[in-house]
Amino acid sequence: DAGITQSPRHKVTETGTPVTLRCHQTENHRYMYWYRQDPGHGLRLIHYSYGVKDTDKGEVSDGYSVSRSKTEDFLLTLESATSSQTSVYFCAISESSGQILKETQYFGPGTRLLVL
Amino acid sequence: KQEVTQIPAALSVPEGENLVLNCSFTDSAIYNLQWFRQDPGKGLTSLLLIQSSQREQTSGRLNASLDKSSGRSTLYIAASQPGDSATYLCAVNSGYALNFGKGTSLLVTP
Repeated sequence: DAGITQSPRHKVTETGTPVTLRCHQTENHRYMYWYRQDPGHGLRLIHYSYGVKDTDKGEVSDGYSVSRSKTEDFLLTLESATSSQTSVYFCAISESSGQILKETQYFGPGTRLLVL
Repeated sequence: KQEVTQIPAALSVPEGENLVLNCSFTDSAIYNLQWFRQDPGKGLTSLLLIQSSQREQTSGRLNASLDKSSGRSTLYIAASQPGDSATYLCAVNSGYALNFGKGTSLLVTP
């Protein structure tokens, strides 16, 4: 298995509070991703990073921010959590050639977030 | 926007049967397609990756095909086993990330 960990694995929080999820990799892969998985929607991309301090938005980025200060860590922050952000969050990593994702994408175990 | 559809949404088969899962996508300009397995409450495990220039990939009892021009891929599972029970996800890469289908939930009964 690819060396990807996510923390916390479970979290319950209240509406309006800030939340930060962490993804840590030991593979030294260039690309890192945050997805959310919801019933009826499948997995949707929130943000991704193509290098240290290089990030871009995905399909459902509103209400989320990210940071990548080191190759191994990619943080996802919910500035003010809402009930609609209750979901399972997955981090993924991949190596790539240039801008095109040609290699397998590996996923972490997920974080279950409940916003009350 | 790339749309990925998986049919059927759920499937139940007796052990030993061969089965086919289907994936279709709307934009044929893809770089590759990946099949994943997801067990309940777990992350995704990559099964097969097919580059756009390839027609199929095989791993053990799994065979995935790709027809880019028609926007279709199939995942063939031979001699199914109860341990194959899981959700199978198809994901298409059109650039920097993956677009996922909603998955096929497979149950293999003993």
